[in-house]
Amino acid sequence: ETGVTQTPRHLVMGMTNKKSLKCEQHLGHNAMYWYKQSAKKPLELMFVYNFKEQTENNSVPSRFSPECPNSSHLFLHLHTLQPEDSALYLCASSQRMTVPNTEAFFGQGTRLTVV
Amino acid sequence: AQTVTQSQPEMSVQEAETVTLSCTYDTSENNYYLFWYKQPPSRQMILVIRQEAYKQQNATENRFSVNFQKAAKSFSLKISDSQLGDTAMYFCAFHRATGNQFYFGTGTSLTVIP
Repeated sequence: ETGVTQTPRHLVMGMTNKKSLKCEQHLGHNAMYWYKQSAKKPLELMFVYNFKEQTENNSVPSRFSPECPNSSHLFLHLHTLQPEDSALYLCASSQRMTVPNTEAFFGQGTRLTVV
Repeated sequence: AQTVTQSQPEMSVQEAETVTLSCTYDTSENNYYLFWYKQPPSRQMILVIRQEAYKQQNATENRFSVNFQKAAKSFSLKISDSQLGDTAMYFCAFHRATGNQFYFGTGTSLTVIP
């Protein structure tokens, strides 16, 4: 266990559905991330939150909507997704990089299938 | 922009043998951090080893060691005495000294053969 928990582990949704992915960390970290992991591609950074403020949005389509109500929780709201959005969605957290020996801690991911 | 390249999509090694996974990166930064992460079939990504760019000494963690060549922008991972539990995807990652973005390679799938 890395201290980062994602729910659900698996999700199948239709293109007209609305669903949310949840991430929770109990590590006292102040940065949280959403990554998309597709086969044979680098992990794609989607969003970064630092002290609850969004600091990165890597040209992610608006059908993905993040929410960070506090430093321990991160959500990814999904609506009108496309089949190519099927992937493993990973949440991670970290301290600020200026803190010695910091690293990213990952959740187990949500396997999303869009049908 | 930073890029991380892992040129070996798949590798295999006999149990108890040594294997080296390669990683190169491209950056104009002078101060940064490099990581190797392991993602077993259970999917949870965990840190294997880290290296600070300002340190010349190669990092070592038990059976895992790196060969960090800053001028060549190379960061390979050596696994000694390979064990069945080492079977996983291995990702090389780069992080600037400032900011909050990790840049990952495409990964190397390592299989340890009994």
